[in-house]
Amino acid sequence: DTEVTQTPKHLVMGMTNKKSLKCEQHMGHRAMYWYKQKAKKPPELMFVYSYEKLSINESVPSRFSPECPNSSLLNLHLHALQPEDSALYLCASSPPPFYEQYFGPGTRLTVT
Amino acid sequence: GIQVEQSPPDLILQEGANSTLRCNFSDSVNNLQWFHQNPWGQLINLFYIPSGTKQNGRLSATTVATERYSLLYISSSQTTDSGVYFCAGGYQKVTFGTGTKLQVIP
Repeated sequence: DTEVTQTPKHLVMGMTNKKSLKCEQHMGHRAMYWYKQKAKKPPELMFVYSYEKLSINESVPSRFSPECPNSSLLNLHLHALQPEDSALYLCASSPPPFYEQYFGPGTRLTVT
Repeated sequence: GIQVEQSPPDLILQEGANSTLRCNFSDSVNNLQWFHQNPWGQLINLFYIPSGTKQNGRLSATTVATERYSLLYISSSQTTDSGVYFCAGGYQKVTFGTGTKLQVIP
């Protein structure tokens, strides 16, 4: 298995909802990442997990809550989002020594 | 953090033409990657190229780390090459460039 998978592909949620995005890889990679990408902009790093521990949090609002239950799985829990949080959310993973990143297909999130 | 600028921002090519995309970074980067983002949003790895030159079919890339730039060459372009090309660098805390939007017309 040589890919990063993300579910769901599309998500529409209201501002009071709670939802989760899921990312999975079975390549033995030990770093996983969440990015946010707005239309016509480059991806922006949100969180980095290295060996299942949070190593980088780019001052992301607390309404985004990451979780790394094991080395293959990365979740992003969403609560009380704002319409401006609508974006493409990308997950990536890296094998040691963490020089290259491999991306999943993304989840398109719309907050109404 | 590092700043990464790409040029040109937009490019329209006739099918079969060649092109060169450029990536300039503000500080030394020890792990540069080039990606192609297709119209559905998928980021596809093209090259991991911290220095030197690599080739893969019609694509090749060169990074001159001492002068803080990288070039991506596309030869004999095809309509499937359309999309946005990003360079990115940084260890774990990766910064993406501003992107080059390429449109290849038949």
